[in-house]
Amino acid sequence: SQTIHQWPATLVQPVGSPLSLECTVEGTSNPNLYWYRQAAGRGLQLLFYSVGIGQISSEVPQNLSASRPQDRQFILSSKKLLLSDSGFYLCASTWEVSEQFFGPGTRLTVL
Amino acid sequence: AQTVTQSQPEMSVQEAETVTLSCTYDTSENNYYLFWYKQPPSRQMILVIRQEAYKQQNATENRFSVNFQKAAKSFSLKISDSQLGDTAMYFCASRAGTGANSKLTFGKGITLSVRP
Repeated sequence: SQTIHQWPATLVQPVGSPLSLECTVEGTSNPNLYWYRQAAGRGLQLLFYSVGIGQISSEVPQNLSASRPQDRQFILSSKKLLLSDSGFYLCASTWEVSEQFFGPGTRLTVL
Repeated sequence: AQTVTQSQPEMSVQEAETVTLSCTYDTSENNYYLFWYKQPPSRQMILVIRQEAYKQQNATENRFSVNFQKAAKSFSLKISDSQLGDTAMYFCASRAGTGANSKLTFGKGITLSVRP
């Protein structure tokens, strides 16, 4: 079975600072990977997805970017954080099955 | 394009009783999947149950079952013998196909509180 790790679990950053959130997957190879953002008390918004190393698709124009340097590693980045980037970020993975498995998430607060 | 609608923002149920959470969806695809996810206070998203659209039989997982009405595009979740640990936010979701670009579309979620 798949296990998804995310770090850090919690992050507080000032406006204008850079961001790097990491997601790694165990127990599978060549997964499809996803980054979601969840605002407080709301649903999930898909930000990026990746079908393979170096392949990134963006769902919404924004201040963030994603990269996939290794098969089971997915990174969410920003050069300069905005207040509106605050939220709960979830990494998800699928592999040969229809459902997505989620990591534990990262709570980002931009001050 | 897919849409998922959860019109009830919150519900409450007495422990040991049964509760039904509603969900409607819209899709132009013939091959799709439907899911219910649970998000407890820890915020970990946990898959509760899934239904393949081509299957007529309603999916069941222990105390959780669905009522899948394909023609009406309705996909409700029934929780039997509610437990305090069922307190969480529940999201209905749909996905057309299994490729990476067949994205998971979520409803806005419903907050379920189980009263002792």
